[in-house]
Amino acid sequence: GENVEQHPSTLSVQEGDSAVIKCTYSDSASNYFPWYKQELGKGPQLIIDIRSNVGEKKDQRIAVTLNKTAKHFSLHITETQPEDSAVYFCAAAYYGGATNKLIFGTGTLLAVQP
Amino acid sequence: ETGVTQSPTHLIKTRGQQVTLRCSSQSGHNTVSWYQQALGQGPQFIFQYYREEENGRGNFPPRFSGLQFPNYSSELNVNALELDDSALYLCASSVQGGGRGYTFGSGTRLTVV
Repeated sequence: GENVEQHPSTLSVQEGDSAVIKCTYSDSASNYFPWYKQELGKGPQLIIDIRSNVGEKKDQRIAVTLNKTAKHFSLHITETQPEDSAVYFCAAAYYGGATNKLIFGTGTLLAVQP
Repeated sequence: ETGVTQSPTHLIKTRGQQVTLRCSSQSGHNTVSWYQQALGQGPQFIFQYYREEENGRGNFPPRFSGLQFPNYSSELNVNALELDDSALYLCASSVQGGGRGYTFGSGTRLTVV
């Protein structure tokens, strides 16, 4: 069935370092790949997304890359700051059909040490 | 632009009871989806509503049901609560067929004892 694997489950970096989170999806029909940041007691907040017709997208310190052939996509955060500490989720969806359900990864707890 | 609001924020119910959770979608959004997030896990898709009808369902039993109203707000109903139903229930709104994906609410934390 549809599945998204996410690694690592926990990631600890020093402030100013880069962080990379990787995901693999199983459904080749997926064409939309968002990344969410979830802070304690809050719902997931969209931080960046990419569609399957694009290989890379960047927004300030955050970038996402997509390899459709390998069904891999990754989140890159540069110059990490303590406020980046949170749980990050990747997701995959077939967007544009009748049901645009998101299949989420299991999450990565990112801790940025000051 | 108002975001997605959910109520209540926390709820404690006894096994076997029924519960109703509510969601107001973001302005301009016409589709509402519900997700269940168990502790330490990613959200799992329950179902989606568009034009007041369910148009997609995840692997959840029929005791999970929902409604969407003409103003695009929604309810999630769960009957015969089980201990495993304890989770954070997230509502997400979007624009059917386009837009920039989902906007999530902060969720309702349901505890079944």
